[in-house]
Order: sequence, then C-alpha cells, then structure tokens
Amino acid sequence: KAGVTQTPRYLIKTRGQQVTLSCSPISGHRSVSWYQQTPGQGLQFLFEYFSETQRNKGNFPGRFSGRQFSNSRSEMNVSTLELGDSALYLCASSASGGGETQYFGPGTRLLVL
Amino acid sequence: TQLLEQSPQFLSIQEGENLTVYCNSSSVFSSLQWYRQEPGEGPVLLVTVVTGGEVKKLKRLTFQFGDARKDSSLHITAAQPGDTGLYLCAGAQSYTGRRALTFGSGTRLQVQP
Repeated sequence: KAGVTQTPRYLIKTRGQQVTLSCSPISGHRSVSWYQQTPGQGLQFLFEYFSETQRNKGNFPGRFSGRQFSNSRSEMNVSTLELGDSALYLCASSASGGGETQYFGPGTRLLVL
Repeated sequence: TQLLEQSPQFLSIQEGENLTVYCNSSSVFSSLQWYRQEPGEGPVLLVTVVTGGEVKKLKRLTFQFGDARKDSSLHITAAQPGDTGLYLCAGAQSYTGRRALTFGSGTRLQVQP
C-alpha cells in the first residue's frame, strides 16, 4: 500500500504571496490532518478533514485554510505569506481520525523570503 | 504552555549507552503514541500504548504508559547510531471529543559511533 504523499517537497515564496500544498492519503483513509512544524514551536495542529468536512481546527489565523476532495485528497492554502510561515508542513492520514494512529507524509518545506 | 512536556530536549550519547526519554502531562490521555522523525522526513509511528501501566517492547526500545495515563517513557538499551533522530510523544484525548493528537516538544537524540 502506498504511503502518504505530499507535493511539492520544497517551495520558496516571497512575503505576500499565497501557496497551495497537496496531500494524498493512504488508500482507504478518510481523515487527513495538517500540521506545521518549526524548531521553536514543534508540531502544531492546523486542521483535520474527514469526508470533505473540516472536523477540527487548531489555533491558526484565517490565512490558513484547507479542503478535502471526494477522493480524500487534501489541499492546504496559505494566503498573504509571512516570514514566520516558513516551516515544514506535514500531512497525516488515518482511517477515521479521532486520535488513532496517524501516518505522516514526508512534508513540504516552505521557505518564505 | 505545552500540554505534553518531553525531557530531555537534547541528548548526545555514545554507542552502547542506555537512555530514557520522558513525556509528562497533568492531563489524562486515552492513548499515547511515540514517533521517530529523521531529518527531511515525516514522523514514523513506533508504538501506541492504551492501557495504564502498559509496557511494550520493540527490540531494544521499551515503552511504558503511566498507571494514571498522564505520562510515558521510552527506554533505549545499547543505543546505536541508527537510533539518532527526533523522538515525539503524542497524546489522544478522544473521551473529551477532541480528535486531534497533541504532540510533545520532542527529544533530539544523537548517538555517536
């Protein structure tokens, strides 16, 4: 079974731009969660999608948004990028969410200049 | 304030030494997971502990869940350079309706040959 895939793996943007990251979960998994990882803050939860609906949301500004498609693939969008948005963005999938085992993708490393 | 505190934050040891990483909280968790993350990759699940007092062994790694389900430890016997990485604990509180995992700040382990 293929693992979680994320594209692109690396991205460089400038302040004020917007970016869209993509995540394909493990086949059959319906829950997709997004996390931001930085050296200072560690792994922080952004949001979780299940069956195309946002089911959980972390404490991030509205510039961070996401969506999930009928095939469970998910996208995350960040608008009006700030320098502090530079981070590793991780996507994780699970069969039904709810704190069960999550399988992580390799992440997208975003650098905002 | 971090809900899950990990200690130590950094650990550099020689090959063959033993070590213990701690994950502590004042909150009760329905389950606790340990992940290892290598540079440039997403976290990979090592183990999930569910029952208070539970002990699980994975080759040279021993995981323990506290009786009150508020803390956990990871013990590595005869560490090897391949054990190098970032170790993360993550707690689930499904009984509260909160579905997202809460991650600890991580312990960065370096094993010198």
